Amino acid sequence: DSGVTQTPKHLITATGQRVTLRCSPRSGDLSVYWYQQSLDQGLQFLIQYYNGEERAKGNILERFSAQQFPDLHSELNLSSLELGDSALYFCASSPITQGPHTEAFFGQGTRLTVV
Amino acid sequence: AQKITQTQPGMFVQEKEAVTLDCTYDTSDQSYGLFWYKQPSSGEMIFLIYQGSYDEQNATEGRYSLNFQKARKSANLVISASQLGDSAMYFCAMRDRAAGNKLTFGGGTRVLVKP
Repeated sequence: DSGVTQTPKHLITATGQRVTLRCSPRSGDLSVYWYQQSLDQGLQFLIQYYNGEERAKGNILERFSAQQFPDLHSELNLSSLELGDSALYFCASSPITQGPHTEAFFGQGTRLTVV
Repeated sequence: AQKITQTQPGMFVQEKEAVTLDCTYDTSDQSYGLFWYKQPSSGEMIFLIYQGSYDEQNATEGRYSLNFQKARKSANLVISASQLGDSAMYFCAMRDRAAGNKLTFGGGTRVLVKP
């Protein structure tokens, strides 16, 4: 158990809908990262938050947004869903130092299927 | 831009034998971290081992060791005494300050251990 909790584990929804994925980082970790893993794109970095503030943005679509709350949990909102958004979405957290020499611990992922 | 390359899309290994998974990286930063993750069929990402750019000794964690050749920019993972439970996808990843400390992943190598 990595200590990172993601809910829900599975999500099936229709095109055009909006969903929210939730992540609780490990106790004490201030950094949260969101990744998307699809068959054709591999593991793609979406966005990073550190102590409530956005720190870095990757290949995140405008239809997607995220935030980190004061209790450090994070939510990833996906709207106007398309079939191509079907993927495994991971949240990861890192300790306070958040430098290049600290590992990131991943949640079990949310498998999103858009039908 | 930083880049991670895993040239072996898949490989078979006999149970109890050792296997080496290749990883090369590219970064202009002097301070960076290299990581290996295992993803079994259940989907979760499991942290295996870390090597820092300033570490002079190769990292080891149980049956996992990292063959770090800095001048060649390679960070190969060696799994000794393979077990059936080692069958999984393996991802090499890097963090460096130039990329905002986010994890950048290679395309992965699928390992299948044969009894």
